[in-house]
Amino acid sequence: DAGITQSPRYKITETGRQVTLMCHQTWSHSYMFWYRQDLGHGLRLIYYSAAADITDKGEVPDGYVVSRSKTENFPLTLESATRSQTSVYFCASRGGLAGPRTDTQYFGPGTRLTVL
Amino acid sequence: RKEVEQDPGPFNVPEGATVAFNCTYSNSASQSFFWYRQDCRKEPKLLMSVYSSGNEDGRFTAQLNRASQYISLLIRDSKLSDSATYLCVVNKGSQGNLIFGKGTKLSVKP
Repeated sequence: DAGITQSPRYKITETGRQVTLMCHQTWSHSYMFWYRQDLGHGLRLIYYSAAADITDKGEVPDGYVVSRSKTENFPLTLESATRSQTSVYFCASRGGLAGPRTDTQYFGPGTRLTVL
Repeated sequence: RKEVEQDPGPFNVPEGATVAFNCTYSNSASQSFFWYRQDCRKEPKLLMSVYSSGNEDGRFTAQLNRASQYISLLIRDSKLSDSATYLCVVNKGSQGNLIFGKGTKLSVKP
């Protein structure tokens, strides 16, 4: 059971380049999320998706683009990477209904992105 | 008031100690509450959900006080393997999106 995977696990890129981070889950979860985690800020939501072809902005969406053509995949693209986007990026997923017993999110292993 | 607030620590305790973490949240409409554990440079993992009546899972006990908007986690008989950062998590809105506290770091020493 692969669960939720992310690729690449580590990435170094240069300012101005386009970078795409991949997220894949095998649970058929409806909801998927992208977070970034930085020292002093904790986990911050970038974008989320309630289902295929439905996406919405989170707390820090600027500079990022997402798509969700298939339920199992939720790629995150940095259109023109900046140094401030150096961070650890986590993808997460959960089932379809909201509520005390279904809001649990399950996280991928993360991608460490460095923008030079 | 921050949406979810935790004491950042670090809490440095000897093996076998009992340690308590506290968390406050600002949204009185929140319905779901969790504690996640995050090891250094790894992904957050669910430790336990927190229910209104309080709940226990082995050495871990979680309590919720809705009136005070306060959540706690008690760890008894601390093990070296409990060393990690503990994240207090609260849901936000009908979509079920989660708000994460910045975490409390625990270091259990021999």
